[in-house]
Amino acid sequence: EDQVTQSPEALRLQEGESSSLNCSYTVSGLRGLFWYRQDPGKGPEFLFTLYSAGEEKEKERLKATLTKKESFLHITAPKPEDSATYLCAVSGTASKLTFGTGTRLQVTL
Amino acid sequence: DVKVTQSSRYLVKRTGEKVFLECVQDMDHENMFWYRQDPGLGLRLIYFSYDVKMKEKGDIPEGYSVSREKKERFSLILESASTNQTSMYLCASSTTGAPSGYTFGSGTRLTVV
Repeated sequence: EDQVTQSPEALRLQEGESSSLNCSYTVSGLRGLFWYRQDPGKGPEFLFTLYSAGEEKEKERLKATLTKKESFLHITAPKPEDSATYLCAVSGTASKLTFGTGTRLQVTL
Repeated sequence: DVKVTQSSRYLVKRTGEKVFLECVQDMDHENMFWYRQDPGLGLRLIYFSYDVKMKEKGDIPEGYSVSREKKERFSLILESASTNQTSMYLCASSTTGAPSGYTFGSGTRLTVV
């Protein structure tokens, strides 16, 4: 059974204070690892797909990396508008996405 | 702008009622999914469909059924609503083939009283 564990559950940063979110996974036959952003009361919004260990993707202040056992979402010099819940998910041989419970990020001035 | 549209943002239903949650996508996606999201439990897959008239059970199908009569529409049915089905329900769609990101709807917050 595919499993995804995200840490920390919640993270509070000051504006400009860089940090990383962790996503550890176990999956049979990784087809893709996905990061989503979810704002309160809304559906998740797709950010990145990573397919193989060593791959990196960037978008504005966000950078996602992947190893054989975990993925990191690095947030560089965050702003208050980056406050959201960040979800990690994996797709294995079953072709379905299994989600973690998310990291709730709050960025304060 | 491509979209997954869920018919209701908020619903309040009584215990024992039959509840229909509707989802429509305009991207010609083959795959559609229903999740529920609860604090501390994350997103859990209820049902999914890879094609019209096809359906597969997810991880928590008990108490739910689905219907997919047209490619663009995927309905979730609560046969007899119970208070433990109070949750945020999210519909998503995706293309077949290489793994791609799901596109999610805005969600339906269902309260069963």
